[in-house]
Amino acid sequence: GAVVSQHPSRVICKSGTSVKIECRSLDFQATTMFWYRQFPKQSLMLMATSNEGSKATYEQGVEKDKFLINHASLTLSTLTVTSAHPEDSSFYICSATGVAERGGSETQYFGPGTRLLVL
Amino acid sequence: AQKVTQAQTEISVVEKEDVTLDCVYETRDTTYYLFWYKQPPSGELVFLIRRNSFDEQNEISGRYSWNFQKSTSSFNFTITASQVVDSAVYFCARGNSSASKIIFGSGTRLSIRP
Repeated sequence: GAVVSQHPSRVICKSGTSVKIECRSLDFQATTMFWYRQFPKQSLMLMATSNEGSKATYEQGVEKDKFLINHASLTLSTLTVTSAHPEDSSFYICSATGVAERGGSETQYFGPGTRLLVL
Repeated sequence: AQKVTQAQTEISVVEKEDVTLDCVYETRDTTYYLFWYKQPPSGELVFLIRRNSFDEQNEISGRYSWNFQKSTSSFNFTITASQVVDSAVYFCARGNSSASKIIFGSGTRLSIRP
């Protein structure tokens, strides 16, 4: 079945540093990838939509200069949290859309998430 | 915004009881998709079901069943004979297509007591 991986699974960093999170589709090409953020005991909120080779589209209220998204290939998107602060601590989940099975329909597959803690 | 509402914040039942999780959605579209996901304590989302707006047939998968009612814009989820392993947060969600961005409800935290 389709697998989407995220690396790292958890990261702790100091305030002011930048953190990069990778999202990979392992056995299919992802035309579109999405980045979601989930604060404790809350729902998932879409941050941005990322298409390979083009600039990401950010949801209202998400700072594009703070959350840099690069979708350099059909299997990799990265989210960089720049100058991270404690309020950026959250669970970041990516998803990738594509056709993973021959004859199948386009489907969205979620990664396992990355827990970021900024001290 | 076309919201997804899960009015039940938390539900706690004793094992083997049946439990229904409610989901009401807003939409102005003719074509849309509805989803249910399970999120155990590990955090990883587990896909449960996807239903498009043209398919109102109810679905049963083992102890899980879903009731899609377009007339009331609801897509409720029932677990029969609940088990402790069913304890998790359950999210109802909608999207414009099977692969578009997904709008999640606020989630229902389900606790199954032994």
